[in-house]
Amino acid sequence: AQKVTQAQTEISVVEKEDVTLDCVYETRDTTYYLFWYKQPPSGELVFLIRRNSFDEQNEISGRYSWNFQKSTSSFNFTITASQVVDSAVYFCALSVDSGGYQKVTFGTGTKLQVIP
Amino acid sequence: EAQVTQNPRYLITVTGKKLTVTCSQNMNHEYMSWYRQDPGLGLRQIYYSMNVEVTDKGDVPEGYKVSRKEKRNFPLILESPSPNQTSLYFCASRWGTSGNEQFFGPGTRLTVL
Repeated sequence: AQKVTQAQTEISVVEKEDVTLDCVYETRDTTYYLFWYKQPPSGELVFLIRRNSFDEQNEISGRYSWNFQKSTSSFNFTITASQVVDSAVYFCALSVDSGGYQKVTFGTGTKLQVIP
Repeated sequence: EAQVTQNPRYLITVTGKKLTVTCSQNMNHEYMSWYRQDPGLGLRQIYYSMNVEVTDKGDVPEGYKVSRKEKRNFPLILESPSPNQTSLYFCASRWGTSGNEQFFGPGTRLTVL
């Protein structure tokens, strides 16, 4: 069984603060993929990043960075110098391709509010 | 423009009245999926399809049916809707394997009275 836990339900920060969104996952599969998606107030779901289980390199894209640690089954997302446009719900997701099925499991999401 | 479309976007119906939410993608994606989003529960997968005529249950399939007769379309059918199916529904598609990102439709907000 797969599970994704996003323990932080809501986070509020003041603009320009750094913020880290936590994601912890569980799976028995050795090959899996982790994703982050953003859902702004307008409601659409936007892909941010993908990581496979064999690639533990951290990644930075502008103000966004991701820290993948297999030892702690975590895939955390940091926004540096947050901006009001970062206000959204962020979802972490786990995808496996195992035994003929291809389920995708999402976390419950973290709502980030950036206060100007 | 590459996109996933869903119709209708909003629907209010009554208990027991069969309905279909359509989903179509123009990217020739093999994999398509339906999710429901509920407060505090995130997105939960209802059904997915790995290709034409190949479908499988997600985590919350009860009360839903799907079919995949054509690659581009993946309708979600509620044969006898109940109030606990009031939710925001998203269709998604992706190319190939589990490692590829999904493209989501705009969502369908369903209210069952």
